[in-house]
Amino acid sequence: EGQLVESGGGLVQPGRSLTLSCTASGLTLQNYAMHWVRQAPGKGLEWVSGVFWSGGVIAYAAAVKGRFTVSRDSAQKALYLQMNNLRPEDTATYYCVRASTHSDYALHYWGQGAQVTVSA
Amino acid sequence: EIVMTQSPLSLSVTPGEPASISCRSSQSLLHGNGNNYLDWYLQKPGQSPQPLIYLASNRSSGVPDRFSGSGSGTDFTLKISRVEAEDVGIYYCMQSLQKPLSFGGGTKVE
Repeated sequence: EGQLVESGGGLVQPGRSLTLSCTASGLTLQNYAMHWVRQAPGKGLEWVSGVFWSGGVIAYAAAVKGRFTVSRDSAQKALYLQMNNLRPEDTATYYCVRASTHSDYALHYWGQGAQVTVSA
Repeated sequence: EIVMTQSPLSLSVTPGEPASISCRSSQSLLHGNGNNYLDWYLQKPGQSPQPLIYLASNRSSGVPDRFSGSGSGTDFTLKISRVEAEDVGIYYCMQSLQKPLSFGGGTKVE
């Protein structure tokens, strides 16, 4: 079965930047909307951002707007999340998610997550 | 932003018995096309979330038929007809009518 693999997570100081990447194995990203969803330690799910198959941005959560940028490569083989000016409250597991065939907003395939820790 | 509220926060169930989770939205999720943009997800312990129900009442592929979703407008329900041990985890509802998408706080089923 196909899977999504996130990379680029790690420990970063407040105010610094980090870029997450997401690639697929045995699963196509072409022609599907993609999303980032995060989960702070012990907390619930929070939608971060999404991008249409065309590359157009769906939206950003208010908490990250102006600091995070979502994008996908032109070959539609990877998804990225550029995170600038990171804050301690951005500490979370970040999931890459592919939408379903019937809706750009139904979160179907989830990666295993990338841990991002923002701390001095 | 649409606020999603789930109840109860936690639910202790007996295998073989039914279970029900409620989800309420601060605005109607009914689109003019007749669809309610409300989905359900399950996060099993130590795992990534997985889809259960989309557009309020449609089971995602591979989801057992003991799971069902219902409701319209602002009030929705996820029902498990006969709970099995593998159903433990945290259940989340999510609206996708308006951006940003938003999740409920989750209901822990144990």
